Amino acid sequence: DQQVKQNSPSLSVQEGRISILNCDYTNSMFDYFLWYKKYPAEGPTFLISISSIKDKNEDGRFTVFLNKSAKHLSLHIVPSQPGDSAVYFCAANSGAGSYQLTFGKGTKLSVIP
Amino acid sequence: EAEVAQSPRYKITEKSQAVAFWCDPISGHATLYWYRQILGQGPELLVQFQDESVVDDSQLPKDRFSAERLKGVDSTLKIQPAELGDSAMYLCASSLSGGADTQYFGPGTRLTVL
Repeated sequence: DQQVKQNSPSLSVQEGRISILNCDYTNSMFDYFLWYKKYPAEGPTFLISISSIKDKNEDGRFTVFLNKSAKHLSLHIVPSQPGDSAVYFCAANSGAGSYQLTFGKGTKLSVIP
Repeated sequence: EAEVAQSPRYKITEKSQAVAFWCDPISGHATLYWYRQILGQGPELLVQFQDESVVDDSQLPKDRFSAERLKGVDSTLKIQPAELGDSAMYLCASSLSGGADTQYFGPGTRLTVL
């Protein structure tokens, strides 16, 4: 049973436009959410996070939105750049006991020049 | 910039052989994690250390996998014997003190079992 779901395996966006990556979760105990970016043959790189006490967190071109009632979060990248082409993983933890991260399957973003 | 180091980057072995992976976390990071990522999936936690102690190894297949962090710094993950289904990327991550601290990942070891 997948507790963190990224239902779009891939997404293509034109350079300069907005990229929106979506993530849904089922575990109501999750209270901290992260996005990681992964290039081929490299480990995941931390991108941005959000605590459940917030509904938005912004860092430069990257903004994460959290809708707790819908158990949904999204990552917005504006403007998208070719270097943003990578696999993006959504992750969550509950902070209760083990701070184990539960990852989604990832979404492959391709930004077309 | 401090990084998590892992070696080897790639490992090819035959089934029933033993393999070992090494990880050196960011200096000063007390918490170390080993993840396994199967192609097309997200990383899944195998084991978590706080200093030299295991905090969570509930997902570690203990009949063939073992992990240690004897001095609370670097760590070794071993598989013996390797099986075909163990082919995956093995990722090491570290964080300052666990909890909600950001986990920083190494480049991973790509294991292929023939």
